[in-house]
Amino acid sequence: AQSVTQLDSQVPVFEEAPVELRCNYSSSVSVYLFWYVQYPNQGLQLLLKYLSGSTLVESINGFEAEFNKSQTSFHLRKPSVHISDTAEYFCAVIPLRTGRRALTFGSGTRLQVQP
Amino acid sequence: DSGVTQTPKHLITATGQRVTLRCSPRSGDLSVYWYQQSLDQGLQFLIQYYNGEERAKGNILERFSAQQFPDLHSELNLSSLELGDSALYFCASSVGQGASGELFFGEGSRLTVL
Repeated sequence: AQSVTQLDSQVPVFEEAPVELRCNYSSSVSVYLFWYVQYPNQGLQLLLKYLSGSTLVESINGFEAEFNKSQTSFHLRKPSVHISDTAEYFCAVIPLRTGRRALTFGSGTRLQVQP
Repeated sequence: DSGVTQTPKHLITATGQRVTLRCSPRSGDLSVYWYQQSLDQGLQFLIQYYNGEERAKGNILERFSAQQFPDLHSELNLSSLELGDSALYFCASSVGQGASGELFFGEGSRLTVL
């Protein structure tokens, strides 16, 4: 089985400041890793994913995440946030080849960007 | 717009009642997933269907059931409702069986049990 831990339930930050949202996972098998974002009153949408290859992956709106296998982490970062980044962010994993092939989500981190 | 449609958007009912939530997946997607989002338990996977067949089961209560119809839409039936069933229920879809992990979510159905 897999589990995902997002240590911070809320992260307040000022506009144009950098931010890091932390994600750690536990799994007995290799996994794919994801960040999903949920804007207010909307469903979740995929922000970025790590399947293989370069451990640093980027999204189209400036977020990046780095897969660290030794630390079983997949932290999400952005060097300069905007008001429009205010949302809830979910880290998720899915096993590569075995086990239940459904996403397991963390508890979410609410990013609050203040002017 | 993800292309996944859920109805109703809001539903208020009483304990002991039964409700049905409906989901239409994106055009061409064969898999449908149901997730429950609540403040105390976060996002919990309930069940997945692929092309009409149950593919994976999560933390779904026995009072809950789901099915996927030949036209690929899905329904989640919740019966003998309890206060603790109040939550946001999301449907998601994917092209295949979800191995890539890329799901497209609807906007959810908010259930309030009084």
